[in-house]
Amino acid sequence: GESVGLHLPTLSVQEGDNSIINCAYSNSASDYFIWYKQESGKGPQFIIDIRSNMDKRQGQRVTVLLNKTVKHLSLQIAATQPGDSAVYFCADLIPTDSWGKLQFGAGTQVVVTP
Amino acid sequence: NAGVTQTPKFQVLKTGQSMTLQCAQDMNHEYMSWYRQDPGMGLRLIHYSVGAGITDQGEVPNGYNVSRSTTEDFPLRLLSAAPSQTSVYFCASRALGEYNEQFFGPGTRLTVL
Repeated sequence: GESVGLHLPTLSVQEGDNSIINCAYSNSASDYFIWYKQESGKGPQFIIDIRSNMDKRQGQRVTVLLNKTVKHLSLQIAATQPGDSAVYFCADLIPTDSWGKLQFGAGTQVVVTP
Repeated sequence: NAGVTQTPKFQVLKTGQSMTLQCAQDMNHEYMSWYRQDPGMGLRLIHYSVGAGITDQGEVPNGYNVSRSTTEDFPLRLLSAAPSQTSVYFCASRALGEYNEQFFGPGTRLTVL
């Protein structure tokens, strides 16, 4: 079936550098995407979302870019801090579902080094 | 607001035992759901509910039952535990249509021997 996936399982980033986490999706009908952060031993937390009518959306130190042509989205974290160490998931809204089910990618582990 | 609470945090079962994972939310959310999280895989939807008395199957419902007698509570029952059900289970809730306001509980780590 169609799925959301991630390119890299682990990303090591030096403190202060920018992080880029990538995600590919295969359902061309997907029109809404979310990034989640999951710290060790906790449930996922919403970071930022984007609709398919947008190419870019910015939050506090985070930016999500959406490229519908190649079905790819990325999460950029500016000036990465130790507290950013976590697993990051992308998810897309299953467009054929009337109740808004989300389909999750496997996740990327971000490790921030001093 | 306590948000979404789950009990227990950890549980060890023997194959064939049954148990109930509890989930409660105090945000008056209509939509509640259960996911399992396995290493190297994304969250997979087990069951969900769009309101009291209404439940439906997700992607991996086999071996699990749910009920929704109140808006606040959404327990997940394992009927006869199997080692393949060893996983971390997350409950989540949100208002209908509010996909960016989905809150997850802290999770239950279940081991089936």
